[in-house]
Amino acid sequence: KNQVEQSPQSLIILEGKNCTLQCNYTVSPFSNLRWYKQDTGRGPVSLTIMTFSENTKSNGRYTATLDADTKQSSLHITASQLSDSASYICVVSAYGGGGNKLTFGTGTQLKVEL
Amino acid sequence: EAQVTQNPRYLITVTGKKLTVTCSQNMNHEYMSWYRQDPGLGLRQIYYSMNVEVTDKGDVPEGYKVSRKEKRNFPLILESPSPNQTSLYFCASSTGLAGGPYEQYFGPGTRLTVT
Repeated sequence: KNQVEQSPQSLIILEGKNCTLQCNYTVSPFSNLRWYKQDTGRGPVSLTIMTFSENTKSNGRYTATLDADTKQSSLHITASQLSDSASYICVVSAYGGGGNKLTFGTGTQLKVEL
Repeated sequence: EAQVTQNPRYLITVTGKKLTVTCSQNMNHEYMSWYRQDPGLGLRQIYYSMNVEVTDKGDVPEGYKVSRKEKRNFPLILESPSPNQTSLYFCASSTGLAGGPYEQYFGPGTRLTVT
């Protein structure tokens, strides 16, 4: 069964600090992995999409890494801001007949405080 | 502005009363999907559509119907809602199949409560 597990479940950090969120998956055959940011009461917004051959991708202060061998990904946030407070969702796609299959993690809830 | 819109944003209804949640996108995307999001479960796909008149079931299709008569619209229909369909619903669209390396754009969500 395809699964995506994220850790920690929640995290509180001070503004200006860095943090790293983790994503472990057991999805096969792997197609791509993406990270989304979801503000409370809003739809998810894509941060990065990585295919098998990519191991790092950046989007401003967000840097995602992918280790396809160990089936792990991380999202590093640099110099956090209050606006980074949100849920961060890891989504892994597997190749499948009729189209790829998406498996969503349950998210890491990040709170950035003054 | 490129966007996915959903209506209504909030809906409280009673068991068995048919309802429709509309979804529209202005990006000329071929692929559209519906998801529900429940605490502790993550997003789950209900239905998806690869083009006009082409729809298929996702992971949790029971109790839902969809139609795709126009490229821009993809309504979600609950013929006889039940309390276990109380959830936060998202519509999404993309240039390619949702699982491919394509950007997927989500709507703002519809919070549905069935009493």
